[in-house]
Amino acid sequence: EDQVTQSPEALRLQEGESSSLNCSYTVSGLRGLFWYRQDPGKGPEFLFTLYSAGEEKEKERLKATLTKKESFLHITAPKPEDSATYLCAVQGISGSARQLTFGSGTQLTVLP
Amino acid sequence: EAGVAQSPRYKIIEKRQSVAFWCNPISGHATLYWYQQILGQGPKLLIQFQNNGVVDDSQLPKDRFSAERLKGVDSTLKIQPAKLEDSAVYLCASGGGQGSYNEQFFGPGTRLTVL
Repeated sequence: EDQVTQSPEALRLQEGESSSLNCSYTVSGLRGLFWYRQDPGKGPEFLFTLYSAGEEKEKERLKATLTKKESFLHITAPKPEDSATYLCAVQGISGSARQLTFGSGTQLTVLP
Repeated sequence: EAGVAQSPRYKIIEKRQSVAFWCNPISGHATLYWYQQILGQGPKLLIQFQNNGVVDDSQLPKDRFSAERLKGVDSTLKIQPAKLEDSAVYLCASGGGQGSYNEQFFGPGTRLTVL
C-alpha cells in the first residue's frame, strides 16, 4: 500500500524567510510524485509532477526536488500570497492506473 | 479552457437523508475521479472512471455511496442514507487529456455537512 507523510504539519514564516517542506513516501514502484496547492474553500491546484530521482522543477518562488525516498518543496523568499496548504501525492505502480495517494498536507502561513 | 465544474458548492442535510453531487470535467478528459476530503486530511479516492466505465471503486462504501458517469462526460455521486461521518468536502477531478496524461485537475468541491 502506497503511503505519504508530510512534515511539518504547519509552518509559519516571515515574508522573505526561505524554507522547505518535506514529503516522505513509500511505494512499490513510483510512476510520479505530484505537488498541489490548496487554498481555503477551493480544490487542489496542480503545481508539479516529478518522475525520477534527481529531477527538479521550478515555478516562481517554488522548487520541487525528488529523491528515491522523499521530495522537498523549497520556497524562496516567500510572500503572504504563498500562504496555503501544500499537498504531496504519489502515483504508484500498484492500484489503478493514475490513482493518487495524498499526504495530509503542510499548512503554510507567511506573515507580512 | 474551462475547469472542472461542481455543484452544489455547499449542502447541509440531516442524517439518513440522501444527497447528490454533480461534476462536469474538463472537455476532452477521459478520466474522472471522485475524492472525499475530511477536514485536516488529504483527499482520499472514492471512485475512478475511464470514459463511462469504472476503473477503481475499491474505497467506495457501496452500501451507501453510488456513482455514475453516463455518456462518458459528466458524473453524479450519491449518498443514501447519509451518516454523520460523511461530513466532508467531495472533490471531483479529471485527467488523461492531451499533454497532461498523468496530472489530475480538481474542481472547487462540494462541502457536505450532515447534522
